Amino acid sequence: EVQLVESGGGLVQPGGSLRLSCAASGLTVSSNQMTWVRQAPGKGLEWVSIIYGGGSTYYADSVKGRFTISRDNSKNTLYLQMNRLRVEDTAVYYCGNIPGSGNWGQGTLVTVSS
Amino acid sequence: QPVVTQEPSLTVSPGGTVTLTCGSSTGAVTSGHFPYWFQQKPGLAPRTLIYDTSNKHSWTPARFSGSLLGDKAALTLSGAQPEDEAEYYCLLSYSGARPKFGGGTKLTVL
Repeated sequence: EVQLVESGGGLVQPGGSLRLSCAASGLTVSSNQMTWVRQAPGKGLEWVSIIYGGGSTYYADSVKGRFTISRDNSKNTLYLQMNRLRVEDTAVYYCGNIPGSGNWGQGTLVTVSS
Repeated sequence: QPVVTQEPSLTVSPGGTVTLTCGSSTGAVTSGHFPYWFQQKPGLAPRTLIYDTSNKHSWTPARFSGSLLGDKAALTLSGAQPEDEAEYYCLLSYSGARPKFGGGTKLTVL
């Protein structure tokens, strides 16, 4: 059974940084396509970033140059390093094995506020 | 940047059939957009229902089906149940551009 567990969310001031983690079990992060998606309060889903099994990475224009997706194969964990955070980055962040098993984590809330 | 469009809201009677659609500002939606459909209930994570136009996961109820309908991707619910009341999102992939979600369809079973 695939399980994805996000962590690392919290309250941060504008301009600050956070690193989100997505610990996986039941699948190997290094050989799967893994996606980050976010959802601002009361809004729809927004695609954020993807890392392919081969290591290629892509980002939404709204986060390009500020966010970095990566993985630690030894920990079977996906990361999202978020720098220069803005108020509009406030959202629940979900990791998912999309394309792939179709599984999602439960999400972690990031609040950017002074 | 492409824009993905969905009906903002739809209502279906219990036991009834409803079709949700997903269009693209760039033209006809094709299998090459690898349409995905997700269901999300309040306070919960999304759940993947359909991938690559019409493929189901093991947890996808048989009453849900995906297809291409005209120039759009479609999610059809046949025999709606009260527990199907949720927000539904489609996701399209674009070559040369990043994947885009539609704005979501709020489905009411009433």
